[in-house]
Amino acid sequence: DGGITQSPKYLFRKEGQNVTLSCEQNLNHDAMYWYRQDPGQGLRLIYYSQIVNDFQKGDIAEGYSVSREKKESFPLTVTSAQKNPTAFYLCASSPRPSTDTQYFGPGTRLTVL
Amino acid sequence: KQEVTQIPAALSVPEGENLVLNCSFTDSAIYNLQWFRQDPGKGLTSLLLIQSSQREQTSGRLNASLDKSSGRSTLYIAASQPGDSATYLCAVGPLKAAGNKLTFGGGTRVLVKP
Repeated sequence: DGGITQSPKYLFRKEGQNVTLSCEQNLNHDAMYWYRQDPGQGLRLIYYSQIVNDFQKGDIAEGYSVSREKKESFPLTVTSAQKNPTAFYLCASSPRPSTDTQYFGPGTRLTVL
Repeated sequence: KQEVTQIPAALSVPEGENLVLNCSFTDSAIYNLQWFRQDPGKGLTSLLLIQSSQREQTSGRLNASLDKSSGRSTLYIAASQPGDSATYLCAVGPLKAAGNKLTFGGGTRVLVKP
């Protein structure tokens, strides 16, 4: 089956720790995105990547880092510098880095203990 | 800076009633507008995408209209069913930007009562 997978589904982190969220797609899409969603709010863009080995900051990149070494993978690291990391994180991809519709993964819920 | 608003934040209707969901945006220089559905604790599913040159799009019981000049879009769901209960989000694609940077509204949470 083609699609986007995110792991883990639930993640718990102690304060001061870095954690990495996985996002994989087998849709052969060029562009990939990371969003953060807080309760009752819309999605805010953290980082996006249009091609391999290239990525740009979104609206709320502080405290996060990404890499795009392979077309199908776009992991997100939540660093200890992120002041309030508890949220629902969604990964998406689109066929081209233009205004195609985006396809979303199932999400990872991160909780800081 | 583009701002997208969805009012009301929550809506409850009896089964069979038509649903009307609103989305407004501040900058009319858009490339497209999309409506998504989100079930609790899940990702987003794309419902309809309207290009800026279009006035509406239809898919089954769903119809979305776009009035770019007034900065509004409306999603109509005919003859609502309990399975339509979810959060509906609209997102605007900018006219001039690299990377398809969508701006999302806060969503409308819909409950359809049997």
